[in-house]
Amino acid sequence: KAGVTQTPRYLIKTRGQQVTLSCSPISGHRSVSWYQQTPGQGLQFLFEYFSETQRNKGNFPGRFSGRQFSNSRSEMNVSTLELGDSALYLCASSSGQRGGRDPNTEAFFGQGTRLTVV
Amino acid sequence: AQKITQTQPGMFVQEKEAVTLDCTYDTSDQSYGLFWYKQPSSGEMIFLIYQGSYDEQNATEGRYSLNFQKARKSANLVISASQLGDSAMYFCAMREGGTGRRALTFGSGTRLQVQP
Repeated sequence: KAGVTQTPRYLIKTRGQQVTLSCSPISGHRSVSWYQQTPGQGLQFLFEYFSETQRNKGNFPGRFSGRQFSNSRSEMNVSTLELGDSALYLCASSSGQRGGRDPNTEAFFGQGTRLTVV
Repeated sequence: AQKITQTQPGMFVQEKEAVTLDCTYDTSDQSYGLFWYKQPSSGEMIFLIYQGSYDEQNATEGRYSLNFQKARKSANLVISASQLGDSAMYFCAMREGGTGRRALTFGSGTRLQVQP
């Protein structure tokens, strides 16, 4: 069973540009969550998507947005990039719903996308 | 107030010895889950072990065990027989609530270095 796949692995962008990151969850998982990891702030929750709907959102500006497709793949977009957006962006996959395995036990991460803004 | 506290920024352990990484948490929810992840320098967050708030027994997964003390709100990770490949950052995380809708809250991490 394939794990969580994030693309690309590395990105270098210029201030003011926008960027789109992709995450394909584990097959059968319908919940995708995104996290930002920086040396200063640690790991912070961005948002969660379940069945194409955002159902939870962290404390980030509106420049950070996301979406989820019918196949559960998710994209995260950051517009008007700032130097402080340089970070490792991780996505996590889980089934996200009751029934069968307790969703609270699941949160599998991808390898992350390392974004550098120059 | 921090919800997850990892008080050890760095730890050293000799190969083949056991090591305990500390984690305390704060929540008013009755239902919650506690996770430990390993993050090598490559960046991937590798799931190690999970403990549910209603689990009566401490979780174990191979060389990893979780010392869950609910009254003290602690969830320490014990790695037995350390290996050189265990050198990495270790994060404790919590998911509150029983709906599966809540985000993970992470601690600041502990960098473990295993010495030969």
